[in-house]
Amino acid sequence: NAGVMQNPRHLVRRRGQEARLRCSPMKGHSHVYWYRQLPEEGLKFMVYLQKENIIDESGMPKERFSAEFPKEGPSILRIQQVVRGDSAAYFCASSPQFDGGAAAFFGPGTRLTVL
Amino acid sequence: KQEVTQIPAALSVPEGENLVLNCSFTDSAIYNLQWFRQDPGKGLTSLLLIQSSQREQTSGRLNASLDKSSGRSTLYIAASQPGDSATYLCAASSNDYKLSFGAGTTVTVRA
Repeated sequence: NAGVMQNPRHLVRRRGQEARLRCSPMKGHSHVYWYRQLPEEGLKFMVYLQKENIIDESGMPKERFSAEFPKEGPSILRIQQVVRGDSAAYFCASSPQFDGGAAAFFGPGTRLTVL
Repeated sequence: KQEVTQIPAALSVPEGENLVLNCSFTDSAIYNLQWFRQDPGKGLTSLLLIQSSQREQTSGRLNASLDKSSGRSTLYIAASQPGDSATYLCAASSNDYKLSFGAGTTVTVRA
């Protein structure tokens, strides 16, 4: 059973471009969580999604950031018009339908660098 | 809002010494508390999960304690090895899905 997969592992964008980060949950997992780790800081919760539903987006910046988890395919975290402050590691986690996300499995992360 | 603090930020010990990593949290109404290991450029590996009704959890050389009343958790690693060198993250959950992380303690075990 493959773990949580994220791609790309490293992403470089220039200011003003769009960044798309993908997360494929573990097989059988229908809950996905995104976290952001800024340099020298702890991971911060961004959003919790179930298939085709956003459950909690309280940690998402109000502008430029969006997330989706379609019925088919990976979850996508989209950042429009990136700025240097968006440079961070973005981690995805997943959990089974009948288990709490506090026991979720984390992916390897996508490291975004904005030039 | 849950705030999680880890002290010290970095720790260097000789091989064989026992490690003690501290974590404090501000809201004692936690659902559970987890310790993770993070290696450079890698994802997070869950080490131990302590439910709110538990006082400690053990796995091999690792033992974690939880004291909700004082808002503290401690991770003990016995007989440290160079392979234990990593960043250790503490995370408190105030519901069944949202984790609040500390900034971590970076451990170096010298051979």
